[in-house]
Amino acid sequence: EADIYQTPRYLVIGTGKKITLECSQTMGHDKMYWYQQDPGMELHLIHYSYGVNSTEKGDLSSESTVSRIRTEHFPLTLESARPSHTSQYLCASSGRAGRAREQYFGPGTRLTVT
Amino acid sequence: GESVGLHLPTLSVQEGDNSIINCAYSNSASDYFIWYKQESGKGPQFIIDIRSNMDKRQGQRVTVLLNKTVKHLSLQIAATQPGDSAVYFCAENSGGSNYKLTFGKGTLLTVNP
Repeated sequence: EADIYQTPRYLVIGTGKKITLECSQTMGHDKMYWYQQDPGMELHLIHYSYGVNSTEKGDLSSESTVSRIRTEHFPLTLESARPSHTSQYLCASSGRAGRAREQYFGPGTRLTVT
Repeated sequence: GESVGLHLPTLSVQEGDNSIINCAYSNSASDYFIWYKQESGKGPQFIIDIRSNMDKRQGQRVTVLLNKTVKHLSLQIAATQPGDSAVYFCAENSGGSNYKLTFGKGTLLTVNP
């Protein structure tokens, strides 16, 4: 089983609040990703990082921001949550030797903004 | 832009039958494909992958077939069990310095006892 963790698992928060979703992995992977997934729908990449101090926006525009100060940690921040941000957020990592494109996923954070 | 999609949104099978889940892709530069299983309330789990230099790869009870001519891949699950009930996603990658995966819409597999 992959060692990638996300907290919190569930979050209900009011409009306008600042939130940070945590993601950590203990596999030493250099690449990390954030996806947004609505129920029953495909995963959309919103941010990715190929190493420390390197972050890029994904294919789906997002008002969130990310940072990568440590290899194992890739937090996602929403400065002012809105109901449109309600979704599931999945974190993943990759970088295993010889299998750099295989991504391991965390359990997800289900965010509800009221 | 390029996309990966699935033919069928839902599939219902009887326990013990074989299941086939299909996926079409449009990026001719894709050279790596991967199948994930996502159970309710969980993150996707790796099932099997295949590179474009192969047309078939087998795992435990699963087989992936790749047809590059028509840009199609399928996941076959043998002797489907209730624990196989989940949403299945295919994803593709075009290699080089790009490690991003592009996911399809997913197929919900329901196994009836």
